[in-house]
Amino acid sequence: NAGVTQTPKFQVLKTGQSMTLQCAQDMNHNSMYWYRQDPGMGLRLIYYSASEGTTDKGEVPNGYNVSRLNKREFSLRLESAAPSQTSVYFCASRRPGATNTEAFFGQGTRLTVV
Amino acid sequence: QKEVEQDPGPLSVPEGAIVSLNCTYSNSAFQYFMWYRQYSRKGPELLMYTYSSGNKEDGRFTAQVDKSSKYISLFIRDSQPSDSATYLCAISYTNSGKSTFGDGTTLTVKP
Repeated sequence: NAGVTQTPKFQVLKTGQSMTLQCAQDMNHNSMYWYRQDPGMGLRLIYYSASEGTTDKGEVPNGYNVSRLNKREFSLRLESAAPSQTSVYFCASRRPGATNTEAFFGQGTRLTVV
Repeated sequence: QKEVEQDPGPLSVPEGAIVSLNCTYSNSAFQYFMWYRQYSRKGPELLMYTYSSGNKEDGRFTAQVDKSSKYISLFIRDSQPSDSATYLCAISYTNSGKSTFGDGTTLTVKP
């Protein structure tokens, strides 16, 4: 049972380069999320998707775009990477309407922008 | 002002100690309160979930919510070295899934 799978696990980019972080879940969840986590800080929501075909901005969306490709996949794109985007990125999914509001997280993508 | 403030830590305790982890929040409209545990270089995993006020117990873990004080706590009894991790509190207005996280408290339990 894979849960939430993120690729790649590690990435180093040069300033100005672009890349897409991939996320897929096999739990048939409707809602998916992208968070970033900086040292000593909690998770900050970048974008979320309540269902296939919908996306909304979170707390820190600037410099990012997302695509909800289908129910399983939710990708995060950095069009022109900046050193301030060095962080650990987590994808999560959740089944809305459940009384237990558990979000299942992937293992994270560690991104360094030099 | 941040919506949720978490006691920063780090916290180091001997094995068997009782641990108290705490968060305060600013908006009384928050209804859902969660505690996540995050091991080093892993994604967070849900440890405890509470709706509205009250206590919830699960084995050695007790989550407590005091809505009048806007204060939430996680207690760990008989702490074990395997409890060494970062603990994140999270709060949410609704059951829709958009949660606001605290900055985390790193706990080390020494054998």
